[in-house]
Amino acid sequence: RKEVEQDPGPFNVPEGATVAFNCTYSNSASQSFFWYRQDCRKEPKLLMSVYSSGNEDGRFTAQLNRASQYISLLIRDSKLSDSATYLCVVYSGGGADGLTFGKGTHLIIQP
Amino acid sequence: DGGITQSPKYLFRKEGQNVTLSCEQNLNHDAMYWYRQDPGQGLRLIYYSQIVNDFQKGDIAEGYSVSREKKESFPLTVTSAQKNPTAFYLCASRDAGTGFQPQHFGDGTRLSIL
Repeated sequence: RKEVEQDPGPFNVPEGATVAFNCTYSNSASQSFFWYRQDCRKEPKLLMSVYSSGNEDGRFTAQLNRASQYISLLIRDSKLSDSATYLCVVYSGGGADGLTFGKGTHLIIQP
Repeated sequence: DGGITQSPKYLFRKEGQNVTLSCEQNLNHDAMYWYRQDPGQGLRLIYYSQIVNDFQKGDIAEGYSVSREKKESFPLTVTSAQKNPTAFYLCASRDAGTGFQPQHFGDGTRLSIL
């Protein structure tokens, strides 16, 4: 069974700190990886796409470790507005139904 | 602006009633999806469509139906056979071109039972 696992948290982190969390996947044929941010009672919004070893966008860095089959999301200099649930999505091929969503990691940035 | 529009934002269903959730996109995306999200849970795939006039069942299709008569529209009907319809419903679309492009989501419809 295809699986994507995330620590549900919550991660309670002081403002300004660096936080990282992982997403593990079981299908070694997985090709593409995505991090989405979902605010409470809102739709998921694409944060980053990861197609090779990693990606960086400002304070956010995503890294892919194919050998250990996980992707990580690192947030530097965290802001109060970073509080949200972060969803990991993995594409493993097989057409439109090749997508698997993790259940998300809940992050709370504290002042 | 280009995007995905879901309507209504809130919907109430009576016992034995079918209700239809609208999803329209002007992104010229080929693939469209419907997901259900329950509190504290991940997204579960209901139906998806890769091209007009074609769609496939996802993991939890029972009690739901869809149609894809136009590229930009993918309505979801929650039938009376769906006994526990209360959830947050999300529509998504993506460009099915070269490589795997990520999905983009509408802002969702919250469905509750009266």
